[in-house]
Amino acid sequence: DIQLTQSPSFLSASVGDRVTITCRASQGISSYLAWYQQKPGKAPKLLIYTTSTLKRGVPSRFSGSGSGTEFTLTISSLQPEDFATYYCQQFNSYPITFGQGTRLEIK
Amino acid sequence: QVQLQESGPGLVRPSQTLSLTCTVSGGSVSSGGYYWTWIRQHPGKGLEWIGHIYYSGTTYYNPSLKSRLIISLDTSKSQFSLKLSSVTAADTAVYYCARDWGALGNWFDPWGQGTLVIVSS
Repeated sequence: DIQLTQSPSFLSASVGDRVTITCRASQGISSYLAWYQQKPGKAPKLLIYTTSTLKRGVPSRFSGSGSGTEFTLTISSLQPEDFATYYCQQFNSYPITFGQGTRLEIK
Repeated sequence: QVQLQESGPGLVRPSQTLSLTCTVSGGSVSSGGYYWTWIRQHPGKGLEWIGHIYYSGTTYYNPSLKSRLIISLDTSKSQFSLKLSSVTAADTAVYYCARDWGALGNWFDPWGQGTLVIVSS
């Protein structure tokens, strides 16, 4: 199985900050990576697919980059509604796997 | 727009079979190009892909669950289902169904709201 390791696991930041979350894969996954946002008690929501393609309707302050084994999700200017847990997910090979999550909290 | 809704018992006895159904509205499970997926989340934990099914009936399962798992499709009702046998407390989780954009890539969108299943006697 491909292991995805996110860092940091916990992040405290302020509204307006620029934040970056990293997702490292245990082996190369080309660009087959997606990012999700999950708020407490809710289902995850797709933000980005194929590393850098923003889902329609997702604010442009979200961006993704990377390839191979290292990927990043960047939020350029945090808004109050962005405080949530973020997950990466690989679809290079079965079984599909997720990172352990990064919890983003208000400082 | 496509919406998904999970349904099924919230409490299952140990060693019994967990059965859930996902109803798809605003679209059809017979649509080519998509897989229909189950994902679970243990309390306070991360996400685990369970498996998915194509409209043709082709399935892919997580090897960690494969021996206990059946995912099936009912196109007449626009539903797909999950059966997980011989459950233990370790199967207590929120279970989500989702659409997998398989033809383009295996990302998940949209998701159902999720249903909590507790395994307990």
